[in-house]
Amino acid sequence: NSKVIQTPRYLVKGQGQKAKMRCIPEKGHPVVFWYQQNKNNEFKFLINFQNQEVLQQIDMTEKRFSAECPSNSPCSLEIQSSEAGDSALYLCASSPGHQDTQYFGPGTRLLVL
Amino acid sequence: SQLAEENPWALSVHEGESVTVNCSYKTSITALQWYRQKSGEGPAQLILIRSNEREKRNGRLRATLDTSSQSSSLSITATRCEDTAVYFCATDGGGGADRLTFGKGTQLIIQP
Repeated sequence: NSKVIQTPRYLVKGQGQKAKMRCIPEKGHPVVFWYQQNKNNEFKFLINFQNQEVLQQIDMTEKRFSAECPSNSPCSLEIQSSEAGDSALYLCASSPGHQDTQYFGPGTRLLVL
Repeated sequence: SQLAEENPWALSVHEGESVTVNCSYKTSITALQWYRQKSGEGPAQLILIRSNEREKRNGRLRATLDTSSQSSSLSITATRCEDTAVYFCATDGGGGADRLTFGKGTQLIIQP
């Protein structure tokens, strides 16, 4: 069973507002991923880290999203100016290494009104 | 177009029956993973099968991989009501990439 913790479980924001969510990866997992899952069950990779370093990120993440994984603090994903199309389930996953199992948290469900 | 796709889109069987979900993918892979997502939860990995493996088992679950046809299957025997979930296949795109590409999933309903 996954021990990835995500907070908050639900988040409601107005358009243009900031939306911030947090993730505590499983202990000992240096690789952390963020994915967006929409209502049609489509997953979109956003960004991943190894320890505190960004490994890969998509254009959307570079422009409107900011993410970090500081040492000894939860990882975070923040949308700078929320749009209606950002309404989705945001999933954090951690992994013990490259090309290994990814363990997902329960997600933060964001609703942008 | 999708890089990974499960079929059928939805499936319903009675408890105790066996069921198979299929997956086709379009990229080279290092491994293919099967995940299950229950309502209100994040995906949970069921099986990871590497590109040099043809079959992998985990209890009542059996996954196969055919890299020549770029397809995989997940079979569940002796299904239980708690197997009701959406089942996804996910590929890593090969080349050392870590990000997973998921299909849209198969909704499996196990009826009592």
